[in-house]
Amino acid sequence: GQNIDQPTEMTATEGAIVQINCTYQTSGFNGLFWYQQHAGEAPTFLSYNVLDGLEEKGRFSSFLSRSKGYSYLLLKELQMKDSASYLCAVLDSNYQLIWGAGTKLIIKP
Amino acid sequence: GAVVSQHPSWVICKSGTSVKIECRSLDFQATTMFWYRQFPKQSLMLMATSNEGSKATYEQGVEKDKFLINHASLTLSTLTVTSAHPEDSSFYICSAPSLHNSYEQYFGPGTRLTVT
Repeated sequence: GQNIDQPTEMTATEGAIVQINCTYQTSGFNGLFWYQQHAGEAPTFLSYNVLDGLEEKGRFSSFLSRSKGYSYLLLKELQMKDSASYLCAVLDSNYQLIWGAGTKLIIKP
Repeated sequence: GAVVSQHPSWVICKSGTSVKIECRSLDFQATTMFWYRQFPKQSLMLMATSNEGSKATYEQGVEKDKFLINHASLTLSTLTVTSAHPEDSSFYICSAPSLHNSYEQYFGPGTRLTVT
């Protein structure tokens, strides 16, 4: 079966750095996404990785290792507004998005 | 950027009634739209793929007679939850593929359905 694992909840301090991990087992791979979702709202796109390595975009970076079936989202200089759920999703061989359950990130002052 | 809207943003209905949710692409044409359902603290689950001018493709386990999808134009797809029950209470989200790449989706703001 297809499976995406990410921690249920993480807590970090304002101004700090946090890394949210995601491991996946899917039938084929056509890329991995990270989305941010605030409570009661739709997801918003953060990043897309299809090749191994690190993609940096401002305070957010995303890393992919296809051989390990592993990705992480790195958030730097955390702000209170970063409190949200972060969803990992993989595009499988049929170009269907398989979603993780999301990691709820709590930022404390 | 491309914008997808949903209406209503929230709705409360009585058990046994039907509810229609609209998904519109505001500044682009979408031949395909996706309908997701998300229960609290759970992942998004794809319910169906809506195709303009043809029948929707439903995911396994989703009752096509209960969740009616119509994609009558290039900017509008509708999801009708028929004979709603309390277990249908959920967050329903639609999305449309990006015009510029094959992998990004534009999400609507979601519709919170509560069935009493």
